[in-house]
Formats: sequence, structure tokens, C-alpha cells
Amino acid sequence: AQSVAQPEDQVNVAEGNPLTVKCTYSVSGNPYLFWYVQYPNRGLQFLLKYITGDNLVKGSYGFEAEFNKSQTSFHLKKPSALVSDSALYFCAVRDMRVGNEKLTFGTGTRLTIIP
Amino acid sequence: DAGVIQSPRHEVTEMGQEVTLRCKPISGHNSLFWYRQTMMRGLELLIYFNNNVPIDDSGMPEDRFSAKMPNASFSTLKIQPSEPRDSAVYFCASSPNHRSIDYEQYFGPGTRLTVT
Repeated sequence: AQSVAQPEDQVNVAEGNPLTVKCTYSVSGNPYLFWYVQYPNRGLQFLLKYITGDNLVKGSYGFEAEFNKSQTSFHLKKPSALVSDSALYFCAVRDMRVGNEKLTFGTGTRLTIIP
Repeated sequence: DAGVIQSPRHEVTEMGQEVTLRCKPISGHNSLFWYRQTMMRGLELLIYFNNNVPIDDSGMPEDRFSAKMPNASFSTLKIQPSEPRDSAVYFCASSPNHRSIDYEQYFGPGTRLTVT
């Protein structure tokens, strides 16, 4: 079984401050981990992923995420928030078994950047 | 590349009517996914196909829902009869299918379904 938890429904950050959106996961084997962003009335857009290698992954729009195996976490971060980063963010996990393409998404975290 | 195409973008129908949602995946992608998004339940995977074959339909809510993929460039999700609780945004996504390297899923813009 695979699952994802996003403990915060809502995160508010002042513009220019660093931001963190939290995600923890559970899988039977090794994980593939993803972050997606959803703007109003749009589909989900891929931000970044962790497959293997460096624990710090860099993605689109200046976002990065750190894979921490011991804490089973994959938190999304950005050093300096922009108002345009305001959106709904989803973490997702997939068990690394060959043939398993099923992604499990978290419940989402609404990020609001305050000018 | 046009991305994943879904139609219609909005659908309003009366309870009991049949609803058909359509999806055209990105050319060359072998896997196709149907999701439903609601405030109460979040984003749920309904069914996914690989090379036009349904692989996992465990998320399909009940017999009123059915999905087909007659060829690599087209899929439908049908609800018959529709009920108000089916109101949601339905997303289609596609991805390449490579056994040794993982790829992300690419989402369409969604179909907002309202059943009155």
C-alpha cells in the first residue's frame, strides 16, 4: 500500500519569505515522489520529482524539495516566495515496483503568499 | 505539443441523464488515467489504462461508471445514469510507459460536471 499525508490544509507566507509545504509518505518499497501545483480552474502541473540520487531535487519556478528517507518526508521549499506562487500544491507517491503506475496524491495544501 | 485535451470543459446535466467525458492523451504516451476531484474527497484515481488495456479500475465508484480506450489517442468516461453526487471535476492524465525510468503524469484541463 502507498499513502501520502499533507498535514497542513493551508499555509500563509509573506512575500519574499522562505516557504515550506510539508509532505510525508508511506510505501512498501522505495518511493517515487512528486510535487504538482494546481492554479484555479486548471489541471495539475508537474513541479519536480525524486527518483533516485541527490536528496535535494530542483524543479520549476525556483522550487526544490528534499527527500529524507529516515523521516519519510519530501517537503517542498522555496527560498523567497512570490505572490504568483499562491496555488494548491499536491504531493504524490508511487511505489517503485515495475509495472505500478498508480500515483497516490495527498489532500493538497493551499499556499497563500501575502503581499 | 497540444497537451492532454479534454472535452467538454463544462457539462451541466439533469439527474438520470447519460454523461460522456472525452480525453485525447499526448501523442506517444502509453498510459492514460482518469481522476475525479471534489472538495470532500480530494483527488481520486478512478481507472488507468496501459496500451489501451484497463489495468486498475478499483477506483471506479460503481457500475454507473464505465471507461473505454478504443485506441491510443482517445478515451471516454461515461456515467449512466448520472446523480447529483457525481458533480466534480474530472481530469484525464497521460504518461509515457517506460519500465526502467519513471515519468510524471501530464494532466488535462479537466471537465467540470454539474448534475442537478
